[in-house]
Amino acid sequence: EPEVTQTPSHQVTQMGQEVILRCVPISNHLYFYWYRQILGQKVEFLVSFYNNEISEKSEIFDDQFSVERPDGSNFTLKIRSTKLEDSAMYFCASSEEVKGEQYFGPGTRLTVT
Amino acid sequence: AQSVSQHNHHVILSEAASLELGCNYSYGGTVNLFWYVQYPGQHLQLLLKYFSGDPLVKGIKGFEAEFIKSKFSFNLRKPSVQWSDTAEYFCAVNGNTDKLIFGTGTRLQVFP
Repeated sequence: EPEVTQTPSHQVTQMGQEVILRCVPISNHLYFYWYRQILGQKVEFLVSFYNNEISEKSEIFDDQFSVERPDGSNFTLKIRSTKLEDSAMYFCASSEEVKGEQYFGPGTRLTVT
Repeated sequence: AQSVSQHNHHVILSEAASLELGCNYSYGGTVNLFWYVQYPGQHLQLLLKYFSGDPLVKGIKGFEAEFIKSKFSFNLRKPSVQWSDTAEYFCAVNGNTDKLIFGTGTRLQVFP
């Protein structure tokens, strides 16, 4: 069964450094998403992406965040200058249709020290 | 603003007991509703979904959920839980856009 994959599984970085989290969505999916879950809190929406454009972003997704689909398979989330409060589990998801079932990847645990 | 409430944060059951996990949402328009499960060390997986039609939906592993529009609820049920159902369960909705709004999750522990 096709799966969403994410790399790395765990990233440790120092405050102020840039990180790139990578995702490979399911190949025939057109809608892509990033969510995050801070330890002990709920899963929160960050951004949705369709047709090489951001469809919607949350208040969390400020100028420090960006997304890109650099080729036909990868979907990346970049944090330009990480803060301690960016420490969380980041989940990528993809969907075949708008408002359809979203398939989630295993997540990247980001630890900012 | 849309929101989802899951009232049970931690549920402990013995095998064969019945399960009902509550989920309420706030949104006045048409919604799609989802229950996701996260087994220990694994990623979020879809248990079941409601888009339209029969408000009683059946999902994988014997789970079902009932959409009650008048109560803004989408409770998850299973008549007889197993030890392997130990996991965290998340209710989620999308309303006017495709972003998912999640509840805080319910941790279910099932003891043999």
